[in-house]
Amino acid sequence: QVQLQESGPGLVKTSETLSLTCSVSGGSVTSGDYYWSWIRRPPGKGLEWIGNIYYSGSTDYNPSLKSRVTISVDTSKNQFSLTLRSVTAADTAVYYCATDPTGVGIFFDFWGQGTLVTASS
Amino acid sequence: QSGLTQSPSTSGTPGQRVTISCSGSNSNIGSNPVNWYQQLPGTAPKLLIYSNNQRPSGVPDRFSGSKSGTSASLAISGLQSEDDGDYHCVAWDGSLNGPVFGGGTKLTVL
Repeated sequence: QVQLQESGPGLVKTSETLSLTCSVSGGSVTSGDYYWSWIRRPPGKGLEWIGNIYYSGSTDYNPSLKSRVTISVDTSKNQFSLTLRSVTAADTAVYYCATDPTGVGIFFDFWGQGTLVTASS
Repeated sequence: QSGLTQSPSTSGTPGQRVTISCSGSNSNIGSNPVNWYQQLPGTAPKLLIYSNNQRPSGVPDRFSGSKSGTSASLAISGLQSEDDGDYHCVAWDGSLNGPVFGGGTKLTVL
């Protein structure tokens, strides 16, 4: 059973960069079993798929966020990370990391507990 | 990015049957399968229904999904207090070239 844990600052200044890390246990980011994914939920709104990365390093991003997002993998630490540049208040959300065995972005079987990130000046 | 449409809220009493709807278009629900997630207060979402009407192992058969045309529905029968939470639908959108979620429906068990 894969376990995921998000970590990172809970407050980011607007126009700066949001960086989060997801630590993986019970599985390996090099296994190829999953697309390692990020999803977020702004307050009072629904879920939004941010993107994913495969063990090969290939990535796929939400077109609406693509210009600001980078997802990367650190195989030595068995972690994957999210970087979101030039944040605005609209990026305030609970951020989740999750596993997706399909890569399509609609089937997530394991989730982290989520971490609230507030973007404010 | 346009998403799927869900009613913001619904409610029911214990034992009752409730239905949550999710409306889309030909480019998403009309041509691709729908998944549903349950998100209980303070927790991460949990996969409830996949491929329109399939339940993952461990999900009670009180939960069922269906799809017709460009709309999908989640039905919960024998409502229980622990069903209180948010329910999200999602489907791949071929026009947007990415997955789209609904805004979520908050279910209150009275």
